[in-house]
Amino acid sequence: DTEVTQTPKHLVMGMTNKKSLKCEQHMGHRAMYWYKQKAKKPPELMFVYSYEKLSINESVPSRFSPECPNSSLLNLHLHALQPEDSALYLCASSRTSGVKGGELFFGEGSRLTVL
Amino acid sequence: LAKTTQPISMDSYEGQEVNITCSHNNIATNDYITWYQQFPSQGPRFIIQGYKTKVTNEVASLFIPADRKSSTLSLPRVSLSDTAVYYCLVGDMNSGGYQKVTFGIGTKLQVIP
Repeated sequence: DTEVTQTPKHLVMGMTNKKSLKCEQHMGHRAMYWYKQKAKKPPELMFVYSYEKLSINESVPSRFSPECPNSSLLNLHLHALQPEDSALYLCASSRTSGVKGGELFFGEGSRLTVL
Repeated sequence: LAKTTQPISMDSYEGQEVNITCSHNNIATNDYITWYQQFPSQGPRFIIQGYKTKVTNEVASLFIPADRKSSTLSLPRVSLSDTAVYYCLVGDMNSGGYQKVTFGIGTKLQVIP
């Protein structure tokens, strides 16, 4: 199984809603990532988890709250988002987060629209 | 901070070989060079990774000169399905020793019939 599964594929939410994006992998990878991608732009790194601990937070606003319940799961909790947060949210995993951590495996993404 | 520079776009006819060059003048000793492919509304997909000289797999070749300040992704005999954005990435260590995998602007390859 070389898949990273993200749910939901599409999400529409209001600015006062609370929702979560979920990501799952069963490759035994110990590093997991959240990226945000706006249209016609490259993916932007948001968070990196290594061995279930948050290792990198790219100064992401607190309305985005990541969680790594175990080595296979990664969540992104969303609260009080703004319309400009509408984007494709990509989850990825790799063997480790070190220099030789191996390739990143990406999910198909969750398309978020904030009204 | 290792930064990459690549052409914004390229056009190629079907069946031709395509070479996309990436500049990374500040590459660190430990950094690997990795290329990803992305189709619209999909996650990026790993193509190839190398450290020096030449690496070849079933879909592409990666040429890295001795100074490692650039690299060239070579796609043999492209087809319409190779139309995508191609990203060159260089490993980037933060102070905690964790690798920040950051994407550059990417090269949009358009394959023409």
